[in-house]
Amino acid sequence: AQSVAQPEDQVNVAEGNPLTVKCTYSVSGNPYLFWYVQYPNRGLQFLLKYITGDNLVKGSYGFEAEFNKSQTSFHLKKPSALVSDSALYFCAVRDMTGNDMRFGAGTRLTVKP
Amino acid sequence: GAVVSQHPSWVICKSGTSVKIECRSLDFQATTMFWYRQFPKQSLMLMATSNEGSKATYEQGVEKDKFLINHASLTLSTLTVTSAHPEDSSFYICSARDSGSLNEQFFGPGTRLTVL
Repeated sequence: AQSVAQPEDQVNVAEGNPLTVKCTYSVSGNPYLFWYVQYPNRGLQFLLKYITGDNLVKGSYGFEAEFNKSQTSFHLKKPSALVSDSALYFCAVRDMTGNDMRFGAGTRLTVKP
Repeated sequence: GAVVSQHPSWVICKSGTSVKIECRSLDFQATTMFWYRQFPKQSLMLMATSNEGSKATYEQGVEKDKFLINHASLTLSTLTVTSAHPEDSSFYICSARDSGSLNEQFFGPGTRLTVL
């Protein structure tokens, strides 16, 4: 079964600095990878996904992620963090059979002014 | 983008009562819907997969008699928490897979259930 690991519970960065939120995955075959953001008491908002094609995926709000097959990673990045980026971020994976999506434990991003 | 709605957005009920949560895909058809629960500061845990017109598939450890799922149409799935207890208090999120669009999966805004 597919699984996702987010090794950091918390990431703190200063506003204007680049940010990285890490994600590694395990899946049979080629993966479908996703990043979502969640604000307090809200559902998930889609940021970006990798299905196939370019390893660098650009998404909403200036976020991007790089698919690295050899390292089985899909880290989320943003060149310049905003205070409003502070939220809970989830990485998720689906396998090619289209089975359900599995989520990582989440990483809380705090961007300080 | 596609929209998934949930109703109610929050509910408070007494212990022992049953609560129904609706999940609707507003502008697409979803043969498959998923129900997740999320405890505070934790990730989403899949509870069950709901297929239109057939019985739901429950994850290990999820009581199917307690969490009743009905997926009667291509745009509606319901989750009924029967005889709710305080430990059922959680954030419940549904997700719907678009049958016609590369199997994209869209999430509802969630329902906060508090059982007193």
